[in-house]
Amino acid sequence: QKEVEQNSGPLSVPEGAIASLNCTYSDRVSQSFFWYRQYSGKSPELIMSIYSNGDKEDGRFTAQLNKASQYVSLLIRDSQPSDSATYLCAVTNDYKLSFGAGTTVTVRA
Amino acid sequence: SAVISQKPSRDICQRGTSLTIQCQVDSQVTMMFWYRQQPGQSLTLIATANQGSEATYESGFVIDKFPISRPNLTFSTLTVSNMSPEDSSIYLCSVEAPGGYEQYFGPGTRLTVT
Repeated sequence: QKEVEQNSGPLSVPEGAIASLNCTYSDRVSQSFFWYRQYSGKSPELIMSIYSNGDKEDGRFTAQLNKASQYVSLLIRDSQPSDSATYLCAVTNDYKLSFGAGTTVTVRA
Repeated sequence: SAVISQKPSRDICQRGTSLTIQCQVDSQVTMMFWYRQQPGQSLTLIATANQGSEATYESGFVIDKFPISRPNLTFSTLTVSNMSPEDSSIYLCSVEAPGGYEQYFGPGTRLTVT
């Protein structure tokens, strides 16, 4: 079983819609959870971090964490063409980051 | 967040040769990390580099193939030794944010081995 699994893509959404990305992790002792955005040919950019159960909002992004279900999600509201990228879920156990395979999002104008 | 630079940004190398990648941070950081991203794949941690100690390698990565130096708190190098086409990847360094668990990535080095 992979440590971090993300919903398979690609995900295509119309401009202005909500994009929903899901991630599950296998290690119950994982403590910190992150979402990175990676544009084609670029390095990953941290967009959200979440450490406790519940929701965390930052602009158009909302991260949700449920440690009991070992589940973390990212919602992108009012999706824009500039949101078209691959989104990577990452989980730490101690200081090491484990990444999911990524979900590619395409926002249709 | 810290400003991270890497050199070279890209290179094309012949098999059997070695390439050293540099990572420079604009502030002192305790922990630096090296990752590999193979074509179409996600990121895999190669090793963790702490200043003043030997790097800690992940399963599947060995020091003879990927020697790492960490001479001070702002700089690290990763060498890819005796390269083969399978080493063609993007190599990224990252640093841990002070007081937190967040990691920030450098721009990466795109390596092609022919």
